[in-house]
Amino acid sequence: QKEVEQDPGPLSVPEGAIVSLNCTYSNSAFQYFMWYRQYSRKGPELLMYTYSSGNKEDGRFTAQVDKSSKYISLFIRDSQPSDSATYLCAMKEGGNQFYFGTGTSLTVIP
Amino acid sequence: EPEVTQTPSHQVTQMGQEVILRCVPISNHLYFYWYRQILGQKVEFLVSFYNNEISEKSEIFDDQFSVERPDGSNFTLKIRSTKLEDSAMYFCASRQAVVNTEAFFGQGTRLTVV
Repeated sequence: QKEVEQDPGPLSVPEGAIVSLNCTYSNSAFQYFMWYRQYSRKGPELLMYTYSSGNKEDGRFTAQVDKSSKYISLFIRDSQPSDSATYLCAMKEGGNQFYFGTGTSLTVIP
Repeated sequence: EPEVTQTPSHQVTQMGQEVILRCVPISNHLYFYWYRQILGQKVEFLVSFYNNEISEKSEIFDDQFSVERPDGSNFTLKIRSTKLEDSAMYFCASRQAVVNTEAFFGQGTRLTVV
């Protein structure tokens, strides 16, 4: 059952580039959308949290949700080597269970 | 900044043995979760816990698994008779109740069953 689809990459970009990460989903009942960053052998670290459709910006990060297309994105501006990690999208309905994508591995090359 | 803490960071156990993974959620959080991540695979939901009882569980969370909040701070996951396929990173997470808020994850316990 593939609730959430995410291209695993790997994605490699030069320092300073704009990075675009995406997820698609099939469950129209999802209302809450999150992006987590996970460094190797560490726990997921929350980056962005969005309710319903629209954009949210936090520093170099922008999250977009398009519920009509069942598509969410995370943009990273002025990418840094420290942004190199796996980025996980996650989403949920009103209940408790979070559904994660497989994660996209990102490397930012100095 | 408050954080979810998990112990141990790495646990090696023999097949068939019982293991207990421990978590201390963020102090004012009321919803608690266990997730696992098999190497190279998705983070998978195991169970959620609220008001001293399981509120949701996945197909993975069978009779071999149990959770407990033995006191006001700890939240534990017990695997009664470990199997090789239980080898994974186990993540504890917590969130505040009242409104739907984001979940914060611990650093994980790497369980290796040999």
